[in-house]
Amino acid sequence: EVQLVESGGGLVQPGGSLRLSCVASGFTFSDHYMDWVRQTPGKGLEWVGRSRNKANSYITEYAASVKGRFTISRDDAKESLYLQMNSLKSEDTAVYFCARTTPGGVGDYWGQGTQVTVSS
Amino acid sequence: SYVLTQPPSVSVAPGKTATITCGGSNIANKNVHWYQQKPGQAPLLVIYYDTDRPSGIPERFSGSHSGNTATLTISRVEAGDEADYFCQVWASSSDHVVFGGGTKLTVL
Repeated sequence: EVQLVESGGGLVQPGGSLRLSCVASGFTFSDHYMDWVRQTPGKGLEWVGRSRNKANSYITEYAASVKGRFTISRDDAKESLYLQMNSLKSEDTAVYFCARTTPGGVGDYWGQGTQVTVSS
Repeated sequence: SYVLTQPPSVSVAPGKTATITCGGSNIANKNVHWYQQKPGQAPLLVIYYDTDRPSGIPERFSGSHSGNTATLTISRVEAGDEADYFCQVWASSSDHVVFGGGTKLTVL
């Protein structure tokens, strides 16, 4: 059974940093692209970024709203995906989901999400 | 950047057909995916590559697209279909994923 479990969310002050983790199980993690997607309260989904798989050199891509502040990394040996978030702003407050995805963008499995709140 | 436009809400009586649209420039040239999200839950893939259904998704869910509009159709709507629905594409020109704003389906 495919499972994705996010952790690391919490309350952080504006300008602070936070590192989210997503632990995967039930599939060959290194074969897959992985995305981070966030959702603000009562609002829609916003793509944050992507880590391509080993075969595609772990290339990362980011939404314009987070580029330069957020960094996606992964450790295939630990079957884990990470999101390092720096220079956090109030508008980064959201539930952050990790999702297994395909090159065409199909998010076929999602974690339950972790809440990030940026507030003083 | 590429924009997907969905109606904020759609209402339908049980047993009827719900149609949720997703507008985007030349969307017929893109692969469209649809997600269902119920309160407090993660999104669930219901349609991928325009018309395909993941295993476990009822045949009542179908997708299509033409021109500048993609459509998610839910036949014989049930109370359990009440949820938010999001369309999504991969914008190859920018290597970005784009989501529509979401449509809240209310079953009357």
